[in-house]
Amino acid sequence: EVQLVQSGAEVKKPGESLKISCKASGYTFNTYWIGWVRQMPGKGLEWMGIVYPRDSDTRYSPSFQGQVTFSVVKSINTAYLHWNNLKASDTAMYYCARYEQGLASFDCWGQGTLVTVSS
Amino acid sequence: EIVLTQSPGTLSLSPGERATLSCRASQSVDSSYLAWCQQKPGQAPRLLIYGASSRATGIPDRFSGSGSGTDFTLTISRLEPEDFAVYYCQQYSRSPWTFGQGTKVEIK
Repeated sequence: EVQLVQSGAEVKKPGESLKISCKASGYTFNTYWIGWVRQMPGKGLEWMGIVYPRDSDTRYSPSFQGQVTFSVVKSINTAYLHWNNLKASDTAMYYCARYEQGLASFDCWGQGTLVTVSS
Repeated sequence: EIVLTQSPGTLSLSPGERATLSCRASQSVDSSYLAWCQQKPGQAPRLLIYGASSRATGIPDRFSGSGSGTDFTLTISRLEPEDFAVYYCQQYSRSPWTFGQGTKVEIK
């Protein structure tokens, strides 16, 4: 069974760093893009970008370029979303999702990681 | 950036009724790269339709998608209690990939 399991909720202060994770199982991790999607409280879905685990090729949405960093560790089938300088406006639910090229869509989603940034 | 505009914002219907959701794109979208997902409260989104009209694995046939170019539609033929949720269209045709703002289907 294809699964993406994300790390647990985080509470941080403005200016702090954070890395959340997305662990894949049930498929060949290296050969599917992993995307990240933000959902601010009570709002819709926003595409942040994608990363290809095989070679770490990364594409960021212009709205998130320079604000976050994607990375992967292939040996443990895990993708990461990283912030260096959190802001209160980063408070949101963050989802990882697998991009299935054959379907040209996100076909499997993680359960989400809630990030709260508050002083 | 391709902007996807969904209408209506909220659809109030009764179980058993037909739901018709619209997604209009600001530029033409290759239908192969238009998808719909469903999100229930407190849950992650779930893929319903890909390629504008193909149902994802395990999706009941009361869900159907259609459309091309700039106009796409998701139809739920007969609403079941578990179908009351928020529905998003998404395009993967051009970067940045974008989502519509969502249509909430609520119980009347």
